[in-house]
Amino acid sequence: LAKTTQPISMDSYEGQEVNITCSHNNIATNDYITWYQQFPSQGPRFIIQGYKTKVTNEVASLFIPADRKSSTLSLPRVSLSDTAVYYCLVGDIRSYSGGGADGLTFGKGTHLIIQP
Amino acid sequence: NAGVTQTPKFRVLKTGQSMTLLCAQDMNHEYMYWYRQDPGMGLRLIHYSVGEGTTAKGEVPDGYNVSRLKKQNFLLGLESAAPSQTSVYFCASSQPGTGKQPQHFGDGTRLSIL
Repeated sequence: LAKTTQPISMDSYEGQEVNITCSHNNIATNDYITWYQQFPSQGPRFIIQGYKTKVTNEVASLFIPADRKSSTLSLPRVSLSDTAVYYCLVGDIRSYSGGGADGLTFGKGTHLIIQP
Repeated sequence: NAGVTQTPKFRVLKTGQSMTLLCAQDMNHEYMYWYRQDPGMGLRLIHYSVGEGTTAKGEVPDGYNVSRLKKQNFLLGLESAAPSQTSVYFCASSQPGTGKQPQHFGDGTRLSIL
């Protein structure tokens, strides 16, 4: 079971770069690493996904070391609107035939608070 | 483009009552999921479906039943509601390959059991 561990909370200021690290020591060979953002009273929203090395899109970067036992979500120049809970998800539904929903547990996430 | 729509958005039940939560998606996704989120907790998977007519148990399935009679709809049923089922329920959908395909979430149903 690919469980994940993240800091419960983080604080930063507008304009700063924020890095949130997730540990997933039991990640399986075929597992991807996906990050979601959740605002109050809304469902989680996909931010970025990767398998190894570095992935960048218009909102974030994801750094994954060679051993893939951790990953770091990097948010450049954060603003007040980036205040949210961020979840790291590692796992997959293997196959319907008894494979189970291994690892589809979001954990408690990281509550990021951005101050002016 | 609606995405994932959950009905109702809010509901208050008495212990022992039954109800059904409806999830509808318009993205032609094969996979659908039901999660619950309790205060200070992450999302926990209740049941999921990998296609029309199929369902499977997740991490916390007890007290819930599901049905996927149509590809676009995933129903979550509470046969005899209990206070421990007070929670926010989220539905999601994705293309096959859950680990590789991002899940798209609805905005939740807030359910209180008195």
